[in-house]
Amino acid sequence: QQPVQSPQAVILREGEDAVINCSSSKALYSVHWYRQKHGEAPVFLMILLKGGEQKGHEKISASFNEKKQQSSLYLTASQLSYSGTYFCGSQGGSEKLVFGKGTKLTVNP
Amino acid sequence: DSGVTQTPKHLITATGQRVTLRCSPRSGDLSVYWYQQSLDQGLQFLIQYYNGEERAKGNILERFSAQQFPDLHSELNLSSLELGDSALYFCASSASGRGNTIYFGEGSWLTVV
Repeated sequence: QQPVQSPQAVILREGEDAVINCSSSKALYSVHWYRQKHGEAPVFLMILLKGGEQKGHEKISASFNEKKQQSSLYLTASQLSYSGTYFCGSQGGSEKLVFGKGTKLTVNP
Repeated sequence: DSGVTQTPKHLITATGQRVTLRCSPRSGDLSVYWYQQSLDQGLQFLIQYYNGEERAKGNILERFSAQQFPDLHSELNLSSLELGDSALYFCASSASGRGNTIYFGEGSWLTVV
């Protein structure tokens, strides 16, 4: 099942913070976060595993609530380079990684 | 550079034709994933292979097929192409098992005219 992301779009000024949420109706084993700029490949940001393990970039923080099957990505002190579309992907009982519809983030000067 | 190589980068073809997209996974990765991304849309999961065997299937049309070869490279075959098949097709790879980072290639742009 496709995870649900919110909000669909966010507009920030440089230096502001944002939170992107991702939820699933099915039990999750892992949640994967990616950022994609237009026409480019999605770039790996973070993976959160059932049990609490996290792997990813030092400047990126995220949480995974296993009971609620929800994950949140925290973007602090945003920079212009943070602009792009953020996708969360979920893995449940299999290795299949299904992505949400994405959250478009725009950071303005 | 993710280490995942896709060819061709761009392809223009006519309706009704057949094309093959190729993917070489990162060294050591056994799993290959294929995704379709239409204009300004999300990443639609098509199919996943692990060490030559199909592991999971998504919304892949019957006109599309894929395989993973013994050397672990994969090919996505698209036949009887329609205008709506125009999209960016991504290949991604990972080590075996759930919970491993999945790395994306640069994609193959397919335009059907």
